[in-house]
Amino acid sequence: KAGVTQTPRYLIKTRGQQVTLSCSPISGHRSVSWYQQTPGQGLQFLFEYFSETQRNKGNFPGRFSGRQFSNSRSEMNVSTLELGDSALYLCASSLGQGMDGYTFGSGTRLTVV
Amino acid sequence: AQKITQTQPGMFVQEKEAVTLDCTYDTSDPSYGLFWYKQPSSGEMIFLIYQGSYDQQNATEGRYSLNFQKARKSANLVISASQLGDSAMYFCAMRSFNQAGTALIFGKGTTLSVSS
Repeated sequence: KAGVTQTPRYLIKTRGQQVTLSCSPISGHRSVSWYQQTPGQGLQFLFEYFSETQRNKGNFPGRFSGRQFSNSRSEMNVSTLELGDSALYLCASSLGQGMDGYTFGSGTRLTVV
Repeated sequence: AQKITQTQPGMFVQEKEAVTLDCTYDTSDPSYGLFWYKQPSSGEMIFLIYQGSYDQQNATEGRYSLNFQKARKSANLVISASQLGDSAMYFCAMRSFNQAGTALIFGKGTTLSVSS
């Protein structure tokens, strides 16, 4: 079966711009989580969506937002980009119930210049 | 607060040797899961192995095994017969199961380099 698909793979944006990243989970998975990975901070949790509702949120400013559609696809948006937002953004999907793990996508590498 | 500690920034091993990557964790939740992921330079996080807090036996998946010592709060990954393709970053992660939607907490990772 198809894995988790993240688009685009690479992005270059300018400070102050906004960006939207997309994630298509594994078919049947209803939970999508987003993580930011940077060399300095490591992997940090952004938020988790389940059945179109945000169920959990990490400690990030309001410039970071997300949503989930009825087909479980998810988007995350970062507004007013800062240089420090340069990172690998990873999306993970799961069934969202019980003791299940996560399957990750290949990530979107965002560079802010 | 939950925390994962990986104390080895880098490990070097020769092909066909076994290697142990260390992971200790801290949590007050009785129900949790421990995960190991491999991240090659391409960036994708590849799931390797899972251990539940109530599992009595250590998890094994092919060449991967997890040495779970609950009292010591450690969950070390053992890779037997290393291969060149094992060179990557390895992350230990934990997730609490006390409620739905809890996040994975990751360690800082260990870079494994396998040489011929």
